[in-house]
Amino acid sequence: EVQLVESGGGLVQPGRSLRLACTASGFTLGAYSLSWFRQAPGKGLEWVGLIRGKAYGGTTEYAASVKGRFTVSRDDSISVASLQMNSLKLEDTAVYYCARHRLSAGMRFFDCWGQGALVTVSS
Amino acid sequence: DIQMTQSPSSLSASVGDRVTITCRASQSISRSLNWYQQRPGKAPKLLIYAASSLQSEVPSRFSGSASGTDFTLVISSLQPEDFATYYCLQGYSTPYTFGQGTKLEIK
Repeated sequence: EVQLVESGGGLVQPGRSLRLACTASGFTLGAYSLSWFRQAPGKGLEWVGLIRGKAYGGTTEYAASVKGRFTVSRDDSISVASLQMNSLKLEDTAVYYCARHRLSAGMRFFDCWGQGALVTVSS
Repeated sequence: DIQMTQSPSSLSASVGDRVTITCRASQSISRSLNWYQQRPGKAPKLLIYAASSLQSEVPSRFSGSASGTDFTLVISSLQPEDFATYYCLQGYSTPYTFGQGTKLEIK
């Protein structure tokens, strides 16, 4: 079964750091690009950042709201992608999801999502 | 950034009704438009990709179409399990952006 599972969420104080992991099973993580999304309580969905697969250079891109504070990385040897979150702000409180990229005739979509990890930033 | 304008924001309907949800992109996104269903406390579930392709194992009552920068999700005959929130998402260029969501409620 193709699956993504997030871990590492929790309560953290403003200004501190937290690292989320996204563990893949049922497919070869290295062959895919991966995005992180988030959803603040009661709000809509927001794209956070991505890391491309090895075939595309493993490059990263970020939303303006997290650029310079968040870093996406991957270790394909253990099928894990990570989201390192530094200098956390109250407004980073959200459920964070990782999702697998797919392409169909050049059209990008995200077919497999993790169950989500709750990050609460509060003093 | 590409803005996705989704309407309506909420909708009341009955089992068996036909429902239409629309998204308009602020610029051309080709057909890189995806539709997701999200139930409370759950991850988004892919319904439609590339504007009109039905994801595997998604019931055929769900369909999508495109006309220029306008995209439509149709549920042909609502079932009880379809009451949820629906989002469109453009995968054309970063930052990938969502519509505001449509909450589908039971009338």
